[in-house]
Formats: sequence, structure tokens, C-alpha cells
Amino acid sequence: ETGVTQSPTHLIKTRGQQVTLRCSSQSGHNTVSWYQQALGQGPQFIFQYYREEENGRGNFPPRFSGLQFPNYSSELNVNALELDDSALYLCASSLEQGDEAFFGQGTRLTVV
Amino acid sequence: DQQVKQNSPSLSVQEGRISILNCDYTNSMFDYFLWYKKYPAEGPTFLISISSIKDKNEDGRFTVFLNKSAKHLSLHIVPSQPGDSAVYFCAASARNAGNNRKLIWGLGTSLAVNP
Repeated sequence: ETGVTQSPTHLIKTRGQQVTLRCSSQSGHNTVSWYQQALGQGPQFIFQYYREEENGRGNFPPRFSGLQFPNYSSELNVNALELDDSALYLCASSLEQGDEAFFGQGTRLTVV
Repeated sequence: DQQVKQNSPSLSVQEGRISILNCDYTNSMFDYFLWYKKYPAEGPTFLISISSIKDKNEDGRFTVFLNKSAKHLSLHIVPSQPGDSAVYFCAASARNAGNNRKLIWGLGTSLAVNP
């Protein structure tokens, strides 16, 4: 059983660019959540996907969007990057909504 | 508005002693609570959880206590080991009107266990 994997692990982008982060959920997990963790902060909920549909969203602007695929892997897209988007982006999968979430190692995004 | 609060940003404990990490919440609809541990450059790792129908859950050296009336939970680590040094996050969830759940996280407490 493979765990949650995220790619890439590190990324540097320029302000105004677009970025796509990827997440492969743990085998059998149908729920994927994305979090942003800024330095010194706890993870902030971005959105959650359940069986390919977004079913919850935190206080993030529309330029943060996502997808979940039939195999339950997921993407996080961020358009028009801002300096404040620099953070660790975490993907978590769970068997069902609200169950223990298993996290990937995160993608460290730096916007310059 | 921080619905899940970990008021101690850091804690230092001697090896072999008890570590107690505290968490308070404001939303009475939360009915499921989790603790995660996070090492630098890694994603959080699930430690232990507790449902609101219980007041205690134990797993090896880790015990979580829930006091619903005080809206307070705590994680006890006994005995503490240097490898326990990490940031510990408390998270809570409730079902919303759409019968969906999401986790609300505290800001974390950095635990240092000294040899």
C-alpha cells in the first residue's frame, strides 16, 4: 500500500505565474484535502474533493482551484501567483470524509 | 477567528518525564479530534484521535483526554523520548450542513524533549 505522494517537492515561481501541484492519494482513499501552511502557522484548509467533486472550501480566492481524477489523485492549481503564496502545500487523503487524514510530504512553493 | 487554539507555542520536557500538550476549541459542533506530529520538511503524521462520545483514548505512550464541558483536550506522552521532539498539531472536525467534514487546525506546539 503506497502512501500519499506529492510532486514536486520544491518549486520556485515568479510572481504572476501559474503553478500546478500534484498529489497521489493513498490506495483506496476517495477524499483528498489540500492545505497551505505558512511559516510558523498551522495548516490552513484550501479545499476538499470527494469522489471527484469539490465538497468544501476554505477562505482562499478563486485563483486557487483543483481537480480530482477518477483514480482519486488530485491537482492544486494556483493562478496569478503572489509573494504571499509562498508556503508548504500539503495534500491529505482519507478513506472517507473526516477520517484520519494521511499527509504527503508537501510541496514547498517559493514565489519570487 | 481561531476555532482551535494551542496557546503554548513551545514546550520543553526532560526525557522520561510526561509531556502534556493542550488544545482548546470554541465550536461546540466539533465531534472528532485528532493529534498530528510534524517533523521539519515532512508532512504531518497522524498520532491519535478521539470521538466526542469518549473522554479518553490511549495508544501506547500517547493518551488523549477530552473535556467537552470545558471544550478542552490534551495529549499526554509518557515517557517522553528525544524522538518525540516535533511540532504537534491539534485538529477538530464537525459535519456541516452538507454532511461534509473538514479539519480545522491549531497553530501547533513545538515540543523539545531533552536527553
